[in-house]
Amino acid sequence: DSGVTQTPKHLITATGQRVTLRCSPRSGDLSVYWYQQSLDQGLQFLIQYYNGEERAKGNILERFSAQQFPDLHSELNLSSLELGDSALYFCASSVAGGWNTEAFFGQGTRLTVV
Amino acid sequence: DQQVKQNSPSLSVQEGRISILNCDYTNSMFDYFLWYKKYPAEGPTFLISISSIKDKNEDGRFTVFLNKSAKHLSLHIVPSQPGDSAVYFCAASSNSNSGYALNFGKGTSLLVTP
Repeated sequence: DSGVTQTPKHLITATGQRVTLRCSPRSGDLSVYWYQQSLDQGLQFLIQYYNGEERAKGNILERFSAQQFPDLHSELNLSSLELGDSALYFCASSVAGGWNTEAFFGQGTRLTVV
Repeated sequence: DQQVKQNSPSLSVQEGRISILNCDYTNSMFDYFLWYKKYPAEGPTFLISISSIKDKNEDGRFTVFLNKSAKHLSLHIVPSQPGDSAVYFCAASSNSNSGYALNFGKGTSLLVTP
């Protein structure tokens, strides 16, 4: 158990809908990262938050947004969903937000868009 | 573009033998490298890392070698055990980013047979 909690574990929704994925980082971790893993793809970095502020942005679509709340949990919002958004979404956390910090991953949320 | 490449999608090794997983990268700014292991239905788990100032880092049965001139790193597992069967992801980051983004390869699926 990494200490990172993601909910829900599975989500099935229709195209055009909006969903929210939730992540609770490990106790004491200030940094949260979101990754997307599509079929046959590696883990694609989406976005990082550190202590409530956006720190780095990757290949995140404009239809997607995220935030980190004062209690350090984070939410990833996906809107106007398309079939291609079906993927595993992982949240990770680390103590610091630096480049040489190991990140600890949650079990992921499997999103299926039908 | 895929900056971290794992060209072998799968590898099969006998129990007790050495497993060698390879990883190549294209971005010369990468200076911190990590290996993650992933079991089905679980998130990636940090395994071992290496900074670019080193060429080798060892942790028990796991050793990572870094060849900066060739932009190549490898993970050696000796001796291999059936419990090592998993997908192994290579990841890299650079200190040049204002934030922190792990760039992952697509993974190598290791099967250790009894």
